[in-house]
Amino acid sequence: AQTVTQSQPEMSVQEAETVTLSCTYDTSENNYYLFWYKQPPSRQMILVIRQEAYKQQNATENRFSVNFQKAAKSFSLKISDSQLGDTAMYFCAFMKTNFGNEKLTFGTGTRLTIIP
Amino acid sequence: GAGVSQSPRYKVAKRGQDVALRCDPISGHVSLFWYQQALGQGPEFLTYFQNEAQLDKSGLPSDRFFAERPEGSVSTLKIQRTQQEDSAVYLCASSLAHSTNEKLFFGSGTQLSVL
Repeated sequence: AQTVTQSQPEMSVQEAETVTLSCTYDTSENNYYLFWYKQPPSRQMILVIRQEAYKQQNATENRFSVNFQKAAKSFSLKISDSQLGDTAMYFCAFMKTNFGNEKLTFGTGTRLTIIP
Repeated sequence: GAGVSQSPRYKVAKRGQDVALRCDPISGHVSLFWYQQALGQGPEFLTYFQNEAQLDKSGLPSDRFFAERPEGSVSTLKIQRTQQEDSAVYLCASSLAHSTNEKLFFGSGTQLSVL
């Protein structure tokens, strides 16, 4: 079974600064996907960024980037130039490359607050 | 509709009541998932449908939980004889095909409170 650990229950940062959210995971799989999801008060999970384990290059999406360390089973999210709209819960998630059933295993989340 | 729609948005039930939670996935989406999110926790997988076939129900916590998707579109999660520990947000998600390359779209969930 896979586990995902987010050790930072809450974080806060000044607007325009950079913040890094941590995530570690445990799996015996060699091929898998990792995700960061954002959950605002509306409760809808929004995909922030995705990383395929077989790709060595770290994924980036505008102000969002990851530091994927496969050997260390670490997958941190960096948010640059943070904005007030980034305030939300952030969840790290794992998915096996199991054709036909792509269920996600989530961590417990980090509550991020951007301070004006 | 433009996204995954879930109803009701809030549901209050007395302990022992039966409840039914509805999910309308994006039209044409083959895969449909249900997740349970307890307060302060991440979502946990409940069950998975590919069209009308329920291929994985390993996450359903007890036989009081039942899900169906009879025509391969709308899905209903039914909880019988609700207990206080069933209080949670129930999230539905869908994707176009059963492929890891397809993006998963989530609804806004149903918040169930059992008194």
